[in-house]
Amino acid sequence: DAMVIQNPRYQVTQFGKPVTLSCSQTLNHNVMYWYQQKSSQAPKLLFHYYDKDFNNEADTPDNFQSRRPNTSFCFLDIRSPGLGDAAMYLCATSSYGDRGETQYFGPGTRLLVL
Amino acid sequence: GESVGLHLPTLSVQEGDNSIINCAYSNSASDYFIWYKQESGKGPQFIIDIRSNMDKRQGQRVTVLLNKTVKHLSLQIAATQPGDSAVYFCAEGNSGGYQKVTFGTGTKLQVIP
Repeated sequence: DAMVIQNPRYQVTQFGKPVTLSCSQTLNHNVMYWYQQKSSQAPKLLFHYYDKDFNNEADTPDNFQSRRPNTSFCFLDIRSPGLGDAAMYLCATSSYGDRGETQYFGPGTRLLVL
Repeated sequence: GESVGLHLPTLSVQEGDNSIINCAYSNSASDYFIWYKQESGKGPQFIIDIRSNMDKRQGQRVTVLLNKTVKHLSLQIAATQPGDSAVYFCAEGNSGGYQKVTFGTGTKLQVIP
């Protein structure tokens, strides 16, 4: 089945230790997103890629970086995780150009910072 | 660790009854609206969407109503089932701004068996 895959589902890191979360998709969508979601809150967009075109949200901290080496994969790098970065990180995709502004989400990676 | 989250508005509904979840959106320029369902520990799942040239759209057991005058969106779930228990988010977008949508606060639906 076509889908959005996130690995790992749970990630534990230490304060200040760089961590990378990964996302892959088999939908062949041209847009990929990273969201941060904290407990009982709505997902908050960090950035998105339209093909290779990177779009950062104005309030996304510099501590968060992203890479999209090809259509299928997108990575979220947190350079120096702080306690406040503990959250669920959601990857989503959409297909611009069809009717499809609809975003399809992966299952998320829950990040714990010790 | 993770900061303490806000308390979500909660709607408790008896199994078999109809549920109505409301959402107020903020941007008058928004012309595309989506409802997502998020179960515990999972990513949001698309339920139904509606564009601003419509005021009602129906799916399987779900209906979305859009009132642009008061910037209000609602999701109606018919014959609510225990599997409908989840957090429901509305999201608004603008086709001119292509991909980006803004999520609303979310409502937790609890179905009482």
